[in-house]
Amino acid sequence: DQQVKQNSPSLSVQEGRISILNCDYTNSMFDYFLWYKKYPAEGPTFLISISSIKDKNEDGRFTVFLNKSAKHLSLHIVPSQPGDSAVYFCAASAGVQGAQKLVFGQGTRLTINP
Amino acid sequence: DGGITQSPKYLFRKEGQNVTLSCEQNLNHDAMYWYRQDPGQGLRLIYYSQIVNDFQKGDIAEGYSVSREKKESFPLTVTSAQKNPTAFYLCASSYRVNQPQHFGDGTRLSIL
Repeated sequence: DQQVKQNSPSLSVQEGRISILNCDYTNSMFDYFLWYKKYPAEGPTFLISISSIKDKNEDGRFTVFLNKSAKHLSLHIVPSQPGDSAVYFCAASAGVQGAQKLVFGQGTRLTINP
Repeated sequence: DGGITQSPKYLFRKEGQNVTLSCEQNLNHDAMYWYRQDPGQGLRLIYYSQIVNDFQKGDIAEGYSVSREKKESFPLTVTSAQKNPTAFYLCASSYRVNQPQHFGDGTRLSIL
């Protein structure tokens, strides 16, 4: 039972254009969503998050959009740069007290072409 | 520099042996977590701990054990009962709910 789904295993984008990564979830109790970036043989690094009380959060080139009615979130990267090539995971949490039990999607491999 | 240290980076185990993966953090985080990543899959939660001397099973705890005797340390033991232990193991920590988890660089475990 995959509660968080990233249906595109890979995405290829031209340098300087917009990259849009999508994520769907099924559990309506999720109230906090995060995007992580991962390079090979390294741990994921936190990129950006959004609480369910918002529908948009922006940090530099990264913007996350949340559509609660559709149970969908997306990460926009603009402009895309070669260093953005990595695997991106979305994650969701229902906020267990004292800890944050994250559920991760399968990941999308983003390749930025020069 | 504050962070999470996992050791070793690569680990080999013979069939039937237990092996322990180390995770240390100096971020003063209360909560710590262990995840497993397999090819083409997302991270799956093995165990997590909200506070010293307390831990809970995650989604795939069978064949694993943990301890949390110190705030800074959360070692994971992969026991011989784990049927498919070959994977990339990631440790994480967080300060409190709705704060991002910080990850170590992982340990890749392989069976000889």
